[in-house]
Formats: sequence, structure tokens, C-alpha cells
Amino acid sequence: KQEVTQIPAALSVPEGENLVLNCSFTDSAIYNLQWFRQDPGKGLTSLLLIQSSQREQTSGRLNASLDKSSGRSTLYIAASQPGDSATYLCAVINTGNQFYFGTGTSLTVIP
Amino acid sequence: NAGVMQNPRHLVRRRGQEARLRCSPMKGHSHVYWYRQLPEEGLKFMVYLQKENIIDESGMPKERFSAEFPKEGPSILRIQQVVRGDSAAYFCASSSQGEDEQFFGPGTRLTVL
Repeated sequence: KQEVTQIPAALSVPEGENLVLNCSFTDSAIYNLQWFRQDPGKGLTSLLLIQSSQREQTSGRLNASLDKSSGRSTLYIAASQPGDSATYLCAVINTGNQFYFGTGTSLTVIP
Repeated sequence: NAGVMQNPRHLVRRRGQEARLRCSPMKGHSHVYWYRQLPEEGLKFMVYLQKENIIDESGMPKERFSAEFPKEGPSILRIQQVVRGDSAAYFCASSSQGEDEQFFGPGTRLTVL
């Protein structure tokens, strides 16, 4: 059974700092991996989708990498802003299109 | 093209009542997925449906929970005789094909008093 772990559970950084969020998974036989953002009391916003054949995806200040063999993905956020404060969720997707979510990293960017 | 719609956004029920959560997929999408997010926990898969078919219900509790996706109308997640432990955010997602990217709705927050 796929287990997804996100470290750290919470992170607080000053504005402008670059940061890395980590996601690890136990079963490397994945189809895709997706990073989401969740604001308090809100739904999920998709940030980046990485297909299993890809190593990384970039969107603006965000860069996500995927290393299937080691069961790891990272989300890199450059030049963090207070508006980046949210919970970031990593989801591993198997070939049946079933999602396995981590418990998230709660990010606070201090102005 | 409207995104995935869920209603109600907030639902309050007393113990023993029934809760009905609705999900309208994106236009053109025929695959629907339901997830539950319990407080302090990650999202957990519950059930995967196509029109008129349940494809995978491995994440559904064995009792009181049921889901349907009729030929016409939204997908319904039904919880009978709700208990306090059912309080959670329930998210729906849809995709056009079984292996395609899922798009998530805003969720329904169920509170059981």
C-alpha cells in the first residue's frame, strides 16, 4: 500500500527566502505526482503535475522534481512571499488514477 | 468552462441524520472521485465512479456510506446516520478519462453536532 510522507509538517521562513518541501513515497510504481496548495477552509489548487517519465516541472517561482527510484519529490519555492503561506500537499497517483496524499506541509512566510 | 462544482459548501447535521453531498464534474468529464480530509489528516481516497458504475470503492467505509453517479445529474455521496467522526471536508474531483489529470472541487465541509 502506498504511503506518502511530507517533511517538515510545518515551516516558517522570512519573506524572500528560498525553500524546499519534501515528499517521499514507498511504492515507486507511480503514474504521476502532483503538488497542490490548500488555503485554510478552501479547496485544492493544483500547482504542478509531474508525469512518471519526467524529472521536473517548473511554473514561475515553483520547481518540482521527481526521483522515482528513490521515492522522492521536492517542491522548490524561490523568493518566498507572504501570499505563499498555505498548506502544500503532495499526491502520488497510481495507474488506476487513485491519489495518495501526504499530510501536507504548513508554510508560513513572515513579512 | 466551469470547474468542478460541489454543494453545499458547508453542511451541518445532527447525529443520526443523513448527509447528501453533491458533485458536478467539469463539462465533458465522465469520471468522478471522492476524497475525505479528516482534521489533522491528509486526504484519503474513498470511491471512483464513472457514469452509472462504481469502478473502485476500496476507500469507502463498509457501512452508512454510499455513492452514485447517475446518467443524468451530479454525483452524490450519501452518509446515513451520521456520527461526529464523519465531520470532515469531502472533496470531489473529475477527469475526462480514467488516466487523465483530476481537477478538484472546492469541497463540502460537513459538521456533525
